[in-house]
Amino acid sequence: GNSVTQMEGPVTLSEEAFLTINCTYTATGYPSLFWYVQYPGEGLQLLLKATKADDKGSNKGFEATYRKETTSFHLEKGSVQVSDSAVYFCARSIYNQGGKLIFGQGTELSVKP
Amino acid sequence: DAGVIQSPRHEVTEMGQEVTLRCKPISGHDYLFWYRQTMMRGLELLIYFNNNVPIDDSGMPEDRFSAKMPNASFSTLKIQPSEPRDSAVYFCASIMTGAGKDEQFFGPGTRLTVL
Repeated sequence: GNSVTQMEGPVTLSEEAFLTINCTYTATGYPSLFWYVQYPGEGLQLLLKATKADDKGSNKGFEATYRKETTSFHLEKGSVQVSDSAVYFCARSIYNQGGKLIFGQGTELSVKP
Repeated sequence: DAGVIQSPRHEVTEMGQEVTLRCKPISGHDYLFWYRQTMMRGLELLIYFNNNVPIDDSGMPEDRFSAKMPNASFSTLKIQPSEPRDSAVYFCASIMTGAGKDEQFFGPGTRLTVL
């Protein structure tokens, strides 16, 4: 089937620490992969995406690489800031179902000064 | 473009009342999605439309929930009668498919509280 699994939160880091949030997906078809971010009180917004194997998506210092061999799309950032505190969702597209996405359960990140 | 617009932003109602949530997708987008987000269940897809036609409503929790999309620029999600367990944030999202445009754009959400 189609599913996305993220590491459970909450994740608490100090400012300037290195961040990794793990995400794996089921290998049905050739999905596009996404990371969305939800800041408090807001809707989700696209952070980055990758559409094929070995692509790297990047934005605002965040990166994720589409790894087909490990069916993973881990989110990383070298130095987090307090303003990165949010909930992060990994998602995959579904072949032949238009714009529908399957989301992971979300990982809450809290960055302390 | 103003993005996806949802109204109201906050709704407080009493159990048994009818609630109607509204969504205006981004112009030109061909898919519209309704989601519900709670602490317990996370983000759930309730129903989605393609070119105003409902495609999959398997996520709608009960017959008390209904959704319509009478035209390309407007959709409603109705709960009748509402119950306290319907309290959640409801998001609408839209997308323009094709030509690599596969980003869902989310509205700011409607926070529903049923007393």
